[in-house]
Amino acid sequence: EVQLVQSGAEVKKPGESLKISCKGSGYSFSNYWIGWVRQMPGKGLEWMGIIWPGDSDTRYNPSFQGQVTISADRSIGTAYLQWSSLKASDIAMYYCARLRAAAVIGVYDYWGQGTLVTVSS
Amino acid sequence: EIVLTQSPATLSLSPGERATLSCGASQSVSSSYLAWYQQKPGLAPRLLIYDASSRATGIPDRFSGSGSGTDFTLTISRLEPEDFAVYYCQQYGSSPWTFGQGTKVEIK
Repeated sequence: EVQLVQSGAEVKKPGESLKISCKGSGYSFSNYWIGWVRQMPGKGLEWMGIIWPGDSDTRYNPSFQGQVTISADRSIGTAYLQWSSLKASDIAMYYCARLRAAAVIGVYDYWGQGTLVTVSS
Repeated sequence: EIVLTQSPATLSLSPGERATLSCGASQSVSSSYLAWYQQKPGLAPRLLIYDASSRATGIPDRFSGSGSGTDFTLTISRLEPEDFAVYYCQQYGSSPWTFGQGTKVEIK
């Protein structure tokens, strides 16, 4: 059974760094793109970027380029999303999700449960 | 960037009724690379339809997708109680991939 299990909710202060994780199981982690999707409170979905764990090839939505870093460690089947300096505008639920096909075709077939990030002084 | 506009914002229907949700794109979506997702409160989105009309694994056949170019439709033939949720369309024909703002299907 394919599963994506994300790390737990985080409460951070503005300016702090953060790295959240997404562990895949039940499939060949290195051979599927993994992406991150943001959902701000009460809002819709936004594609942030994707990574191919096999060689760490990464593609970003220009709106998020430079704001976050996507990485992966294929040896432990885990993808990451990190911030170097959080802002209040980063408050959101963040989902990891797997692309359905090995090609860069952006259909997400399996999703993690989400990680809520709260930023407050 | 392709902007997707979903209508209506809210659809109030009764169980057993037919739901028709629309998704309009600001530019043609290449290769009909359009997907539909369902999201219930507190849960992650769930893939329903991809490539405009292909049902994802395990999705009941009361869900169907159609359309091409700039106009796409998700139809739920007979609403079941578990179908009341928010539905998002997403285009993946050109980067950045974008989502619509969602249509909420609520119980009348």
